[in-house]
Amino acid sequence: AQSVTQPDIHITVSEGASLELRCNYSYGATPYLFWYVQSPGQGLQLLLKYFSGDTLVQGIKGFEAEFKRSQSSFNLRKPSVHWSDAAEYFCAVGPYLTGGGNKLTFGTGTQLKVEL
Amino acid sequence: ETGVTQSPTHLIKTRGQQVTLRCSSQSGHNTVSWYQQALGQGPQFIFQYYREEENGRGNFPPRFSGLQFPNYSSELNVNALELDDSALYLCASSWGGTNEKLFFGSGTQLSVL
Repeated sequence: AQSVTQPDIHITVSEGASLELRCNYSYGATPYLFWYVQSPGQGLQLLLKYFSGDTLVQGIKGFEAEFKRSQSSFNLRKPSVHWSDAAEYFCAVGPYLTGGGNKLTFGTGTQLKVEL
Repeated sequence: ETGVTQSPTHLIKTRGQQVTLRCSSQSGHNTVSWYQQALGQGPQFIFQYYREEENGRGNFPPRFSGLQFPNYSSELNVNALELDDSALYLCASSWGGTNEKLFFGSGTQLSVL
């Protein structure tokens, strides 16, 4: 069965500091990995995705993530956090195509607080 | 904004009632996925519709049903509501029955009393 673990429920960083959000996954085939961000009262917005190729992927808003197959990890990073980055972040794993029993599985999320 | 609209934004129902939630997909998209997000949890996949056919279903009972219309908008119906159905219901549209890039609506917050 596929699963996603986000070990940190809450993280607080100071504005301007660097950020790393952890994500570990379990998936039986080549994973399709995603990071989404959710602001209060909003739906989810895709930050970045990885399927193949360069293991370091760049996303929107200055975020990047690195796929490490040996560690089954896909951690999200940002060199300098802005107050507007405060939100909940979700890692997800799944297939490219949905059909039959295929589905996207989300982690439980990491709530990011930014101190000014 | 994603162009995916959901209605209503909030809804209060009592246990045993039925509810219909609606979703208009982004222009050009032919795939709609529905997710349930309970408080403090990540979204859980309910099902997906692709070109008006169910194209995958998560671990939800049959009282959760759906429909997709020729214009690719979609409905989620839940019968015999239970207290545990209280959650944010998210709709996401995409192209071609894939997960490549899901565009989410802002959701419908359902409270079951």
